[in-house]
Amino acid sequence: DIQMTQSPSSLSASVGDRVTITCQASQGISNFLNWYHQKPGKAPNLLIYDASNLETGVPSRFSGSGSGTHFTFTISSLQPEDIGTYYCQKYDTFPFTFGPGTKVNVK
Amino acid sequence: EVQLVASGGGLVKPGGSLRLSCEVSGFTFSDYAMNWVRQAPGKGLEWVSAISSFSRHIYYADSVKGRFTISRDNAKNSVSLELNSLRAEDTAVYYCVRGIPKWAWGQGTQVSVSS
Repeated sequence: DIQMTQSPSSLSASVGDRVTITCQASQGISNFLNWYHQKPGKAPNLLIYDASNLETGVPSRFSGSGSGTHFTFTISSLQPEDIGTYYCQKYDTFPFTFGPGTKVNVK
Repeated sequence: EVQLVASGGGLVKPGGSLRLSCEVSGFTFSDYAMNWVRQAPGKGLEWVSAISSFSRHIYYADSVKGRFTISRDNAKNSVSLELNSLRAEDTAVYYCVRGIPKWAWGQGTQVSVSS
C-alpha cells in the first residue's frame, strides 16, 4: 500500500503569516489528493481536491499544488479561524490513505 | 443542500456487533461511491471501507477486513456498515463520506467498545 507522510507534524505561526505544509506519497498518485481542515469535535472540511482545485466556498488564501509524489498546501495569510489539524488524503487507488496530520496553532 | 446523517453508534462489549446507517439527501445518491472513515479518540483519520455506486466494487481496510461489511440501498438513499467481532481499537467516531467525484462528509456517529 502507498504510505502518506506530512510535515511538519505541528507548527505555530502569527496571524498574517504564510504557512506551508507538505505531503509526500511513497509512490506516484498523479493528482488524486485532497486537503482537509478539521477542528476538534467536528467533521473534516474539504479545502482542496485534485491536488490544486479550491472547493466551492473555501477562501482563496488556501491553495494546493503538486503531482506524483510531492504535494504542497499553503495558507497565504493565516487567520485565527485557521487553527486546527490539516490532513492530506490520496484517492488514486484503495486504500484511500490519509496523512498523519499537521496541527496548526496561532501564536 | 447535501446532507449525510449517520446513526447507529453506541457502547458495545468486545466481540459484539453494531450496524451503522447513513441516510443522505440533496444529491443523486446512485451517482456516487460511498465511504466510511473513522477517527479514534485523539488520533488521525482512517479510511475504513468503500462501495461503488451500484455495489459492484467493495473495498476494506486491512484492519477491518473479514469483520465489517458495507452495503447500500439506492432506493432508500442509504449506506450501511455492519461491525462484527468488535475490538477496543475499533472505538472511534465513524463518518459517512460521499466519494469521487465530489467529496462530502456527515457529522459522524460514536462507536465505543468496552467491557
